[in-house]
Amino acid sequence: EADIYQTPRYLVIGTGKKITLECSQTMGHDKMYWYQQDPGMELHLIHYSYGVNSTEKGDLSSESTVSRIRTEHFPLTLESARPSHTSQYLCASSGTSPNTGELFFGEGSRLTVL
Amino acid sequence: SQELEQSPQSLIVQEGKNLTINCTSSKTLYGLYWYKQKYGEGLIFLMMLQKGGEEKSHEKITAKLDEKKQQSSLHITASQPSHAGIYLCGADRSARQLTFGSGTQLTVLP
Repeated sequence: EADIYQTPRYLVIGTGKKITLECSQTMGHDKMYWYQQDPGMELHLIHYSYGVNSTEKGDLSSESTVSRIRTEHFPLTLESARPSHTSQYLCASSGTSPNTGELFFGEGSRLTVL
Repeated sequence: SQELEQSPQSLIVQEGKNLTINCTSSKTLYGLYWYKQKYGEGLIFLMMLQKGGEEKSHEKITAKLDEKKQQSSLHITASQPSHAGIYLCGADRSARQLTFGSGTQLTVLP
């Protein structure tokens, strides 16, 4: 069972608000990721981190920012939310084992911006 | 651009029927992953394939990677309502960054 947690699970906010989506894992994984999932199911990598103080942008351009001050914590922030940010955001982590390359996913944060 | 193409996009089957989902890449796959997602939840890892011709099974789900390592299939035998969900294939890009296919929505009718 994966030990990776996302909060909030659901969030409905108004345009212009600042929001932070939290992601924490207790597996000691160095690598963490944020994916954005369209209603059509496709996942797009928006941010990733290979360790503390390391963050990179993914394939899909995003106005969100991330930080990695602690190994277990990888929050995503939107300074000024817009309706175009409405989506499902999935956090994931992976360890250093080369055997499976398995990503462990949180249950997701569904954001609706009115 | 979409690197992984999944087909079909959606599938509705009667309980007990067999089904196959396909994942095709325009590039050689060095690691192919299958995940399952229940609606509104995160992804659960099913299997990983690396070698051409490799086949893995878990319970009633079998995944194969072709010899050219550009196509994978996921086969479910005697489907059950518990198999319903979204199935996504993912491919290694670099250092465990996965790019995902567009997903296949599976509905199993009781």
